[in-house]
Order: sequence, then structure tokens, then C-alpha cells
Amino acid sequence: QMQLVQSGPEVKKPGTSVKVSCKASGFTFTSSAMQWVRQARGQRLEWIGWIVVGSGNTNYAQKFQERVTITRDMSTSTAYMELSSLRSEDTAVYYCAAEGNYDNAFDIWGQGTMVTVSS
Amino acid sequence: EIVLTQSPATLSLSPGERATLSCRASQSVSSYLAWYQQKPGQAPRLLIYDASNRATGIPARFSGSGSGTDFTLTISSLEPEDFAVYYCQQRSNWPPRWTFGQGTKVEIK
Repeated sequence: QMQLVQSGPEVKKPGTSVKVSCKASGFTFTSSAMQWVRQARGQRLEWIGWIVVGSGNTNYAQKFQERVTITRDMSTSTAYMELSSLRSEDTAVYYCAAEGNYDNAFDIWGQGTMVTVSS
Repeated sequence: EIVLTQSPATLSLSPGERATLSCRASQSVSSYLAWYQQKPGQAPRLLIYDASNRATGIPARFSGSGSGTDFTLTISSLEPEDFAVYYCQQRSNWPPRWTFGQGTKVEIK
């Protein structure tokens, strides 16, 4: 079945970086697009950015423009989201989501990765 | 950037009642408007794409409508499993970026 499996929880110090992975299976990764979304405890979903897998083109929310990089490795069907200059406010669950059956709608979601930023 | 405003913030209803959720964009944008359902501790689930198309496996009681800046998600008759938070998400044409609304919580009255 179509699925995304994300890497495990992370605990980071302020000022460092985190890189979360998202491995796809069961659908054509190269024909897809993938977004990254985060959610702090009890808060709303927040869009971080996305990548069109085939072309590698990316776009990021203005809020994260200077600190985030989304990449993909087509040989392993894996996407990555790296966030730098971490601060406590970045503590959240980070989700990847992919276009599986539809264009411009994300019907396949990863299980989420908890990132905790604490000194 | 586009701002999506969902209303109401909370909807208190009983099973069997009709739920009407609104999503308004700060400017007229693309037709790429999706609705997601999220339950505690779970990832979001796609319900509606392109404003009015139900995703595979989504019950017919869920329907989406609207265009331009005003969109609606309707749940015709609430089932116990429908009590959750609902988010709209829309994509701007250029630059191609996505935005979420702040969510509407549908709770049991």
C-alpha cells in the first residue's frame, strides 16, 4: 500500500539543525510532490514547504525561507527536510505528506516525527 | 501570502445534525482547495480535493463546495467518528505555496 515512513524522534539544542527523512513506498515517488507540515502541541497545522520530486523544484513558506531546505533522493524514494538555527518554538511534530492519487492534494501522510528543541 | 480564515472556531453539535464549516481566502486564488480531518494523535486525512471532489473512501455525507474566496465543507449528518478538527488548505498560483486555515473543531454538544 501507499505509505510514508518518517525517521524517529529527535532532541536538539537551540542553534543546531535537524534533518527529518520520509521514505515513500507503494506509489510512483518520482511523479509526486511532497509537502512538509508541522504542528506544535495543541496548535494548528503549519505549512513549511514542498518539493516537486521529479524536477526538484521547491517552495517554502516565507516564515521558514531562510532556515529550511527540502531535498529528495530518487534512488531511495526518500525526501528530507532540514531546519537550521533551531529554537524552542520549533518544538513540534513534523509531518511529510505526498500526492498519491491526486494532483495538488496530499492523501498520503507520514506518521509524524517529534522534534524537541531544549537546552 | 494568502490567509485562510476558517469559521467558526468551534462547532458544538449532536450526532445526526448537519455541520457547515467555512473557509475564506484573503484573495481569490486557485481551485486547489482541500479539506482535511484530524483526530488527536493522528496525522491529517484528506477528505476533499479541488474544492468539491471526495477522496477515495470518504463517505458521501462529506461534501465540499465553493470557488473564488469562499469555500464550504458540509457534513450532512454527523456520525460519532466525525467529531474532530477540520482544516482547509489552498495553493496560490504563483509562487506555488500552500496555506492552512486555523482549523474548526467539531465537538459533541
